[in-house]
Amino acid sequence: AQSVTQLDSQVPVFEEAPVELRCNYSSSVSVYLFWYVQYPNQGLQLLLKYLSGSTLVESINGFEAEFNKSQTSFHLRKPSVHISDTAEYFCAVSDPRAGGTSYGKLTFGQGTILTVHP
Amino acid sequence: GAGVSQTPSNKVTEKGKYVELRCDPISGHTALYWYRQSLGQGPEFLIYFQGTGAADDSGLPNDRFFAVRPEGSVSTLKIQRTERGDSAVYLCASSFGSNSPLHFGNGTRLTVT
Repeated sequence: AQSVTQLDSQVPVFEEAPVELRCNYSSSVSVYLFWYVQYPNQGLQLLLKYLSGSTLVESINGFEAEFNKSQTSFHLRKPSVHISDTAEYFCAVSDPRAGGTSYGKLTFGQGTILTVHP
Repeated sequence: GAGVSQTPSNKVTEKGKYVELRCDPISGHTALYWYRQSLGQGPEFLIYFQGTGAADDSGLPNDRFFAVRPEGSVSTLKIQRTERGDSAVYLCASSFGSNSPLHFGNGTRLTVT
C-alpha cells in the first residue's frame, strides 16, 4: 500500500518570497510522483511529475520538485511566488507497475493551501 | 477545446435516495477515472474505465456504488440508498491513454441530508 503525507495544511507567504510545500510518501516499491494544483473554481491540473532519471523536475511556471529516495520526499519549491500562485496543491504517487493506470490511479495527500499575500 | 464536464455541479439529496452523477470526458479520451474527495482530504480513487469496460473498480467503497460507460464516452456514477457519509465532491478525470496525464472536471458536490 502507498500513502502520502503533506506536512502543512496551509502555507501563507508574501509575494516574491520563496516557498516550499512538503510531501513525504510511503511505499514498498518504486513510485511515480506528481504534484497537482487546483486554482480557485477550477479542476485539478498537473503541475509536474517525476517518473525516472533526473531527480529535479521543473514546471513551466517556475516551480520545481526534487525526488529524494532516501528521505522518501518530493518537496515542491518556488524561489519567488506571485499572487496568481494562490491555490491548493496536492502531492500524489502511483505504482509504475500498474501499466495502464500508472499515470491515473493515484494516491493523493491531503493538500496544502498556498496563500500568497501582497 | 472543451474540458471534462460534470453535471450537476451540486446535488442535495435525502438519506436513502438514489443519485446519478454524470461525466462528459474530453473528446477522444479513452481512459476515464472517478475519484471522491471528502472535506479536508485529497481525492481517493474509485474506478477506472478503459473504453467501455471498468478495468479497475477496486476503490468503490461498497456495492451501493456503481458506474457505467456504455459507449466509451459519457460515464455515470450511481449511488443507491445514499448515506450521510457519502457527502463529498465526486471528481471525474479523463486521459488520452495509459501514459497521459489526467484532466479533471470541476466535480459534483453531493450533500446527503
